[in-house]
Order: sequence, then structure tokens, then C-alpha cells
Amino acid sequence: DIQMTQSPSSLSASVGDRVTITCRASQSTRSYLNWYQQKPGKGPKLLIYLASSLQSGVPSRFSGSGFGTDFALTISSLQPEDFATYYCQQTYSTPYTFGQGTNLEIK
Amino acid sequence: EVQLVQSGAEVEKPGESLKISCRASGYSFTSHWIGWVRQMPGKGLEWMGIIYPGDSDTRYSPSFQGQVTISADKSISTAYLQWSSLKASDTAMYYCARQNSGYSAFDYWGQGTLVTVSS
Repeated sequence: DIQMTQSPSSLSASVGDRVTITCRASQSTRSYLNWYQQKPGKGPKLLIYLASSLQSGVPSRFSGSGFGTDFALTISSLQPEDFATYYCQQTYSTPYTFGQGTNLEIK
Repeated sequence: EVQLVQSGAEVEKPGESLKISCRASGYSFTSHWIGWVRQMPGKGLEWMGIIYPGDSDTRYSPSFQGQVTISADKSISTAYLQWSSLKASDTAMYYCARQNSGYSAFDYWGQGTLVTVSS
């Protein structure tokens, strides 16, 4: 199985901040890397697919980058509705494993 | 509009069997993989497995192989997740999700089914 490791596990930031969450794979996943947002009591929502493609309807302040084993999700200017937990997922080979999550909290 | 509607919350005793469902609408059910994701209380997302309803091809995570069965009935556009003998450690929220054909991400999600296993 490909192991996905996110950093940091939790992060405190303020509205307007630029934040970056990283995700490292235990072996290359090429560009098959997705990012999801989950708010308390809700199901996950797809934000970014294929490492850097923005899912329809997702604000442009979200962006993704990376290839191979190292990836990043950046939020350019945090909005109040962005405080949530973020997960990466590789879809290069089954099982399509998730990272452990990054909890983004209000400072 | 793509929708995945899951069956309601369940409370079961250890050792009992259970089958939960995920009814799809708004797209061609037989043309997309559909998967199940577990989220234990206060924990992260775990990929359990996927099924292609067109031919019932199924892939399981090694962590869940033999512990659950994923199936689909294409005549009613519904996917299922079932247990033959529940354990307390199966207590979790279970999500179904549609996998996009082009890039394999889960682009639509069900609302989740909470399964509680307690004596």
C-alpha cells in the first residue's frame, strides 16, 4: 500500500492568512493526488484532483501543486468558511489511501 | 443532478449481520466506480473498497478484505456494504462516493450512514 503523510496534523491561522498543507507519498503517485475538505458533521468535498486541477465550483483561492511524492494544498487568503479538516488521497494504485488529515483551526 | 442517498442510521449488537445501501441517481450508474469510506469517531478517512456496477468488478483494501462485502444492484442503481458478524470496532460513519471516470477522485458523496455496534 502507498502511505500518505500530511504535515502538519493541525494548524492555527487567521482570516486572510496564506496557508500551505503538504502531503508526502511513500512512493510515486505521479499526478494522481486529490484534496478534500471536511467540515464537522458533514461528508468530504472534493477540492483538487490530479494534483492541481480545481474541482468545479471550488473558489480559486484554493490551489494544488506537486508531482511524484510531494504535494501541497495552498489557500491564498483564508476565509471563515475554510476552517475545516483537509485530506489528501492518492488514486494511483489501489487501495486509494488517504492521508491522516490536517485540522485547520482559527487562531 | 448527481445524488447518492444512503440508508439511515443503524444500531446493532455484536455478532449481528447488517447491509447498508447507497442509491445513486442523475448519472449512468454502470459507468462509474462507486466506493465506501469509513470514518471512525473522531478519526480520519479510510478507503474500504470500490465496485464497478457495470460488471461487478470489486477491489478491497487489505485492511477490509474479508471483513465486509461490497456489492451493487444495477437494476435499482444501488450499492451495498455488508457485514456478516459485526464487532464493536465497526462503529463508525460510512460514506459512499462516486469515483470520477477520468481521474479516480471521489467527486460526489453520500450523506453518510452511522453504524453503532453495542451490546
